[in-house]
Amino acid sequence: GAGVSQSPSNKVTEKGKDVELRCDPISGHTALYWYRQSLGQGLEFLIYFQGNSAPDKSGLPSDRFSAERTGGSVSTLTIQRTQQEDSAVYLCASSLGGTGGNEQFFGPGTRLTVL
Amino acid sequence: QQPVQSPQAVILREGEDAVINCSSSKALYSVHWYRQKHGEAPVFLMILLKGGEQKGHEKISASFNEKKQQSSLYLTASQLSYSGTYFCGTAGGTASKLTFGTGTRLQVTL
Repeated sequence: GAGVSQSPSNKVTEKGKDVELRCDPISGHTALYWYRQSLGQGLEFLIYFQGNSAPDKSGLPSDRFSAERTGGSVSTLTIQRTQQEDSAVYLCASSLGGTGGNEQFFGPGTRLTVL
Repeated sequence: QQPVQSPQAVILREGEDAVINCSSSKALYSVHWYRQKHGEAPVFLMILLKGGEQKGHEKISASFNEKKQQSSLYLTASQLSYSGTYFCGTAGGTASKLTFGTGTRLQVTL
């Protein structure tokens, strides 16, 4: 069966431009998560969706970052007016139900480079 | 609050054992362990839940001390394929986010 997919796999953009990153979770997974991983660093939580609602968006670094999920499936992470410090790998994960007792399946990530 | 992992890095010869620790300052509902190889996505290893339930791969062994809010991952008879960075993730409740530790880099050599 298909795993979590993300697109694009790589994105190079200029400072100040907006970018959209897409995540397709595993079919039937109600929970979806976005993380950011800078080079050689750990996984930084950004936002968590349960269905289409986001009970926890505490990790979004600034109001330039937003995310939505539609139809309980695909999610889009949007970064407006990108800055060089936004450069990182953005990982999406999905799980059956809530995180506490369910494993997360990660996508391959989108590597974002802001010049 | 980010859980603290120790050691930060370890080098093993093939066949040796290692223990990776994860400690939290908050009460925990569950601890998750993932392994990430260079340039790849993290892969699930195990979940340890409050009350003693565990879900994971048969060859992986771990413990969860709820009172101390600590977990340990036991890697025995290490193989080259065990190399990677190990992350623990902690959850405070059933619907909580996972907060990941800083990672432990493991290298297994011949």
